[in-house]
Amino acid sequence: GAGVSQSPSNKVTEKGKDVELRCDPISGHTALYWYRQRLGQGLEFLIYFQGNSAPDKSGLPSDRFSAERTGESVSTLTIQRTQQEDSAVYLCASSSSSFYGYTFGSGTRLTVV
Amino acid sequence: GQQLNQSPQSMFIQEGEDVSMNCTSSSIFNTWLWYKQDPGEGPVLLIALYKAGELTSNGRLTAQFGITRKDSFLNISASIPSDVGIYFCAGQLADKLIFGTGTRLQVFP
Repeated sequence: GAGVSQSPSNKVTEKGKDVELRCDPISGHTALYWYRQRLGQGLEFLIYFQGNSAPDKSGLPSDRFSAERTGESVSTLTIQRTQQEDSAVYLCASSSSSFYGYTFGSGTRLTVV
Repeated sequence: GQQLNQSPQSMFIQEGEDVSMNCTSSSIFNTWLWYKQDPGEGPVLLIALYKAGELTSNGRLTAQFGITRKDSFLNISASIPSDVGIYFCAGQLADKLIFGTGTRLQVFP
């Protein structure tokens, strides 16, 4: 597609439930990134996929967080047993080369109640 | 997670004024980038800097890559209402970007 697409745009979930967030990168972009942005904060790196290489998971805050990507297409970020501190905007970005910066999606706003 | 120190945190200025914000790090970066985020949107790339000492302009925006490679600044000249938003610096670390804490800019007519 023309840009990075994320769904849903908003998600309200009950504490303890699992959620799945989806990202459709720009076609042909080999790199895909997930970031978390808490209210009034900067962007916190979560995970990075590059082609078929093993993902860089160094930013995942706990084992409740996981992400998958099939080839160079869609990625899914899963948060299990959600907690209130998981409330944030989750941003996905894709890039043909990190050297030239990323293109971000509009994000998924997750609210855990 | 790791973040860059960005200042000021917020700015309230009048239309037509010039704006300056900066970003510092304890680490050396090979690439610095500046992004702008509008409400409800993802950040959009404004300027990319690839060489220490480099000064780059994009319209009313000017950014510099510090000589030490540990800092960068962004200037906006003659601000207009649509400059409102959050500005983030980012430094490249291996294959990922580390983002600053953001500067929230408000422009009053």
